Amino acid sequence: QKEVEQNSGPLSVPEGAIASLNCTYSDRGSQSFFWYRQYSGKSPELIMFIYSNGDKEDGRFTAQLNKASQYVSLLIRDSQPSDSATYLCAVKGSGGYNKLIFGAGTRLAVHP
Amino acid sequence: NAGVTQTPKFRILKIGQSMTLQCTQDMNHNYMYWYRQDPGMGLKLIYYSVGAGITDKGEVPNGYNVSRSTTEDFPLRLELAAPSQTSVYFCASSPGDEQFFGPGTRLTVL
Repeated sequence: QKEVEQNSGPLSVPEGAIASLNCTYSDRGSQSFFWYRQYSGKSPELIMFIYSNGDKEDGRFTAQLNKASQYVSLLIRDSQPSDSATYLCAVKGSGGYNKLIFGAGTRLAVHP
Repeated sequence: NAGVTQTPKFRILKIGQSMTLQCTQDMNHNYMYWYRQDPGMGLKLIYYSVGAGITDKGEVPNGYNVSRSTTEDFPLRLELAAPSQTSVYFCASSPGDEQFFGPGTRLTVL
């Protein structure tokens, strides 16, 4: 069973701090990694994707990938209360057909 | 572009009833997916399609059926509703890697 694991949280950070969200995956052949944000009662929206080892930055968001350790993370700098949501890690497995395996998500709470 | 649209937004079914959840995308994506999300859980893949006329089972297909007669539409059919099918259902489409989600259908089976 291919799995994606995340700490369910809640992760509570003060406004302006860096939030660090982590994800591990079991399928060593995975090639593509995604972070989705899901507000309560809403659908997931893509915020970052990463394919290569290392860091990828987009505004206040940085995705980090370490394939040797099977680990992907998302850093949110200068966290805002509007960042409070559940963050879903998704991994495209080696099985083809563009299928994603989702983690259960980490709930982030940014308090003023 | 409307993106991915789903109807209905909410539905209450009685045990044993049937219904079809509609999903339409206007982005000409080949890949389409149906997921369910239970409270506090991630998304579980029910069925997916790689193009018109081609569908396959995902992780949790029991109790559901799909069809894909056109690129745009990917309806999900529940034949004999059971309380275990109470969930939020999301449809998604993809041109390749990234998946784009519809607003979801909240289904309750009583």
